[in-house]
Amino acid sequence: RKEVEQDPGPFNVPEGATVAFNCTYSNSASQSFFWYRQDCRKEPKLLMSVYSSGNEDGRFTAQLNRASQYISLLIRDSKLSDSATYLCVVYTGGGNKLTFGTGTQLKVEL
Amino acid sequence: GAVVSQHPSRVICKSGTSVKIECRSLDFQATTMFWYRQFPKQSLMLMATSNEGSKATYEQGVEKDKFLINHASLTLSTLTVTSAHPEDSSFYICSAALGTGQIQYFGAGTRLSVL
Repeated sequence: RKEVEQDPGPFNVPEGATVAFNCTYSNSASQSFFWYRQDCRKEPKLLMSVYSSGNEDGRFTAQLNRASQYISLLIRDSKLSDSATYLCVVYTGGGNKLTFGTGTQLKVEL
Repeated sequence: GAVVSQHPSRVICKSGTSVKIECRSLDFQATTMFWYRQFPKQSLMLMATSNEGSKATYEQGVEKDKFLINHASLTLSTLTVTSAHPEDSSFYICSAALGTGQIQYFGAGTRLSVL
């Protein structure tokens, strides 16, 4: 089983739609959680950290359920510029490293 | 914000050539630098963790004699792919961290194509 699992997509949605991505992780000792965005042939960029209480940054909302080892990202009012691959990332302190999911591809269309 | 510079951005070379990739933290001193590899439609896979002045720690399955890492200063780490072969063609990305590896700043990546 992969340490971090995501639905690869692609998710094709019209502009203005709301879209949700899910992620599960296998290591219960994982300490911190993030969503990164990666554009084609570019480096990943931090989108937001994820907290158990849930957190919001503009049109983006992230949720963490530690009991289920489940992370989500909700994007409201999708823009064309949101088209990218969204990576679920988990930090494990013991190994001092980030583990990346394979990413979920989003395509926002006119 | 913290900036990490990675060079070169693109390399095309013949099989058997050695390729060196540089990773520099421009405006901060990085405690730790990380090297990743990403094949098409796959996730970033950590290859090794590098601390200044000490030997790199390689992930399982990564050949340390094939992928030489030198971390000479708090702002520079290099990855040398020795005797590159077509199967080494990939996207190599470095990152630098302050303190623990929770928050990492990524370089723009190096796309290596071995003919």
